[in-house]
Amino acid sequence: AQSVSQHNHHVILSEAASLELGCNYSYGGTVNLFWYVQYPGQHLQLLLKYFSGDPLVKGIKGFEAEFIKSKFSFNLRKPSVQWSDTAEYFCAVRGGSYIPTFGRGTSLIVHP
Amino acid sequence: NAGVTQTPKFQVLKTGQSMTLQCAQDMNHNSMYWYRQDPGMGLRLIYYSASEGTTDKGEVPNGYNVSRLNKREFSLRLESAAPSQTSVYFCASSDLRIWYFGEGSWLTVV
Repeated sequence: AQSVSQHNHHVILSEAASLELGCNYSYGGTVNLFWYVQYPGQHLQLLLKYFSGDPLVKGIKGFEAEFIKSKFSFNLRKPSVQWSDTAEYFCAVRGGSYIPTFGRGTSLIVHP
Repeated sequence: NAGVTQTPKFQVLKTGQSMTLQCAQDMNHNSMYWYRQDPGMGLRLIYYSASEGTTDKGEVPNGYNVSRLNKREFSLRLESAAPSQTSVYFCASSDLRIWYFGEGSWLTVV
């Protein structure tokens, strides 16, 4: 069965700091990987996804993620965060099931 | 371009009452989903419908029923609400590449 783990539950940063949110998954075969963002009071929106090809994926708003197959990881990064990046971030994996499994989320607070 | 639309946005129920959450999508997707979101638990799948006329249980189906009314609409029913069902409910539809979410329904059961 597929599963996903997000290690950081709460992250607090100052503006301009760099961000890296961890995501590890469990599934031995081919996977699709996603990062979704949920701004306060809003619905989930897709940040970026990996299906195949270049393991370094660029998303919206300056976010990127790197798929490292040997580490079963898909960490999200941004070189310089802004106050408007305050949100909850969800990693999701789709492997054996066509329905993705979502992680428990990481709450990011960015102080101006 | 509405995407996924859910109603109601907020609802307070008394224990034992019933209610239905409505969801509609205008993207012509075959598959639709209902999730609940609780603090520290992330998103958990309640029920899904792979296509019109089919529904299947997800991770946490107890206490819920669903109806896939047509290709556009997928409703979630609480027959006898319990305080443990206080949550934020999200409907989603998918082209099996991207999952598109509605804006959520905040439900409180007292």
